[in-house]
Amino acid sequence: AQTVTQSQPEMSVQEAETVTLSCTYDTSESDYYLFWYKQPPSRQMILVIRQEAYKQQNATENRFSVNFQKAAKSFSLKISDSQLGDAAMYFCAYRSANGATNKLIFGTGTLLAVQP
Amino acid sequence: DVKVTQSSRYLVKRTGEKVFLECVQDMDHENMFWYRQDPGLGLRLIYFSYDVKMKEKGDIPEGYSVSREKKERFSLILESASTNQTSMYLCASSLIPGRETSGRWNEQFFGPGTRLTVL
Repeated sequence: AQTVTQSQPEMSVQEAETVTLSCTYDTSESDYYLFWYKQPPSRQMILVIRQEAYKQQNATENRFSVNFQKAAKSFSLKISDSQLGDAAMYFCAYRSANGATNKLIFGTGTLLAVQP
Repeated sequence: DVKVTQSSRYLVKRTGEKVFLECVQDMDHENMFWYRQDPGLGLRLIYFSYDVKMKEKGDIPEGYSVSREKKERFSLILESASTNQTSMYLCASSLIPGRETSGRWNEQFFGPGTRLTVL
């Protein structure tokens, strides 16, 4: 069975600085997808960024980028130029590329605080 | 934009009560999911449905059941609520793999959540 581990329950960053959130996963599959979701306080969870395992190039979405290390089964999220609105719970998630459903396996989350 | 709504943001029930949590999506998604979110445990899948009247157990189905009579609506039922079911419940929906449209990816879209307290 696949597992996703986020070893940092809480992180803090100064506004305008850069922060990296860690995620590792365990799988025997070769084809899969990885995601970072953001859950702001009292607001809906939204997708931040996604990565296909077959792609070597790291995904980037504006200030958000990932460091995908397939061999190490590591998928970290880097937030550059942190803003107050980045404060949220961040979840790493895994999805198999096989099968007919779209089930996600989530990590336990990292609560990010942004200090002004 | 995809919209996933849940019937209540906050709900307080008594032990032993039958509880219905409802979720509605407006984007013709085949897949719908119910998760439970607890501090330190992340999101855990309770049940999911990949079509009308079709359902599969997730990782923690005990004490829960679901109903999907219409494609847009997915209900989570606590037959006899217990205090250990006090939690945040999140609903999500997505297309099935293979139905992604150009420029859109097969992500899960989440509702705002229902915080259920069982006394």
